[in-house]
Amino acid sequence: AQKVTQAQTEISVVEKEDVTLDCVYETRDTTYYLFWYKQPPSGELVFLIRRNSFDEQNEISGRYSWNFQKSTSSFNFTITASQVVDSAVYFCALSNLLVIGSSNTGKLIFGQGTTLQVKP
Amino acid sequence: GAGVSQSPSNKVTEKGKDVELRCDPISGHTALYWYRQSLGQGLEFLIYFQGNSAPDKSGLPSDRFSAERTGGSVSTLTIQRTQQEDSAVYLCASSSPGKGFYNEQFFGPGTRLTVL
Repeated sequence: AQKVTQAQTEISVVEKEDVTLDCVYETRDTTYYLFWYKQPPSGELVFLIRRNSFDEQNEISGRYSWNFQKSTSSFNFTITASQVVDSAVYFCALSNLLVIGSSNTGKLIFGQGTTLQVKP
Repeated sequence: GAGVSQSPSNKVTEKGKDVELRCDPISGHTALYWYRQSLGQGLEFLIYFQGNSAPDKSGLPSDRFSAERTGGSVSTLTIQRTQQEDSAVYLCASSSPGKGFYNEQFFGPGTRLTVL
């Protein structure tokens, strides 16, 4: 079975602090994808990043960075020098590889989300 | 439109009534997903459509829930005899598998359903 755990329910930081959001996943698939989505107060889900299971390279995009470690089944997300606009709910998600006509549907399995509050 | 659209944006109904929620996927996207976001359950998968293949209904919580996708495009999620626990935001997503090795899903703005 597939499962995603985001143990941190809520995190509160002061602007300019660095913050790491944890994500641990479980899957028996050898090919899978990991995602992070942001849900600001307006409610829409905003795609942030996708990684596949064969690519463990860490990725940096501006103030955002992601650390993927298969050995610990983790895909953590760090925001450097946080800003008030980063306040949102962040979801980590897992999917298998969609194969048309098979039971691999590519559906997203989401963690429970981490609410990040960045105070000025 | 460029993105996934959903209607209505908000729906308030009385317990026991039937409701229909609509999703217009991105043009050309053959895969369509419904998810539900509720306070108690987080974000959970409901149903998946891909072209003419049989849908994956494994996430539907009860037989009061059904969905169809006509002409491989627009989808309607129907909830019969609504209950208060059906109150949630219903999200639709579409993707275009086959254009890459990944399956990026683009989400609509959601329909907020409140059952009184």
